[in-house]
Amino acid sequence: AQSVTQLDSHVSVSEGTPVLLRCNYSSSYSPSLFWYVQHPNKGLQLLLKYTSAATLVKGINGFEAEFKKSETSFHLTKPSAHMSDAAEYFCVVSVRSGYQKVTFGTGTKLQVIP
Amino acid sequence: DGGITQSPKYLFRKEGQNVTLSCEQNLNHDAMYWYRQDPGQGLRLIYYSQIVNDFQKGDIAEGYSVSREKKESFPLTVTSAQKNPTAFYLCASSIVSGRNTEAFFGQGTRLTVV
Repeated sequence: AQSVTQLDSHVSVSEGTPVLLRCNYSSSYSPSLFWYVQHPNKGLQLLLKYTSAATLVKGINGFEAEFKKSETSFHLTKPSAHMSDAAEYFCVVSVRSGYQKVTFGTGTKLQVIP
Repeated sequence: DGGITQSPKYLFRKEGQNVTLSCEQNLNHDAMYWYRQDPGQGLRLIYYSQIVNDFQKGDIAEGYSVSREKKESFPLTVTSAQKNPTAFYLCASSIVSGRNTEAFFGQGTRLTVV
């Protein structure tokens, strides 16, 4: 079994300040982990992915995430928020056990205040 | 450009009608997926297919049907048996082999029952 928990449904930051979106997962197998971003009424765009290589993963638009196995976490960070970062972010865990099982978190809405 | 195309972007359905949402991909991916998105619930898997002429029920398949007659196409029919069909529907595709199983998403179809 696997699950994903996004600890905050809404996060609000001021423009230029750091962003932290939290994600914890559980999995019986070695997972691949992803962060996706969704702007209103749009599809999902991949921000970054962890697939068992380096634990610190850099993605697009200045985002990065660190895979911490001991804490079962994969938090998303960015040093300085931009207005265009306002969107909904989804943490995803994917496990191959016979077939591919993908589980989405419930999402975190990021608000950026000018 | 390779990608996934969903159509239409907006769809209105009368109660008791069946409607079909289109999803086409030119990424040569074997696997395709349909998700339903409701506010605060993340994405829930409706159906998935890992090969032509084969598909499996996801977590919320009741009231939906799919077909996979071609590798490029995975249409979703929302039947009159689906009691609460108003939602945002996302189609995705991915490769099947290996751990690099990121999914690529279409831009979504917003279905409203009137």
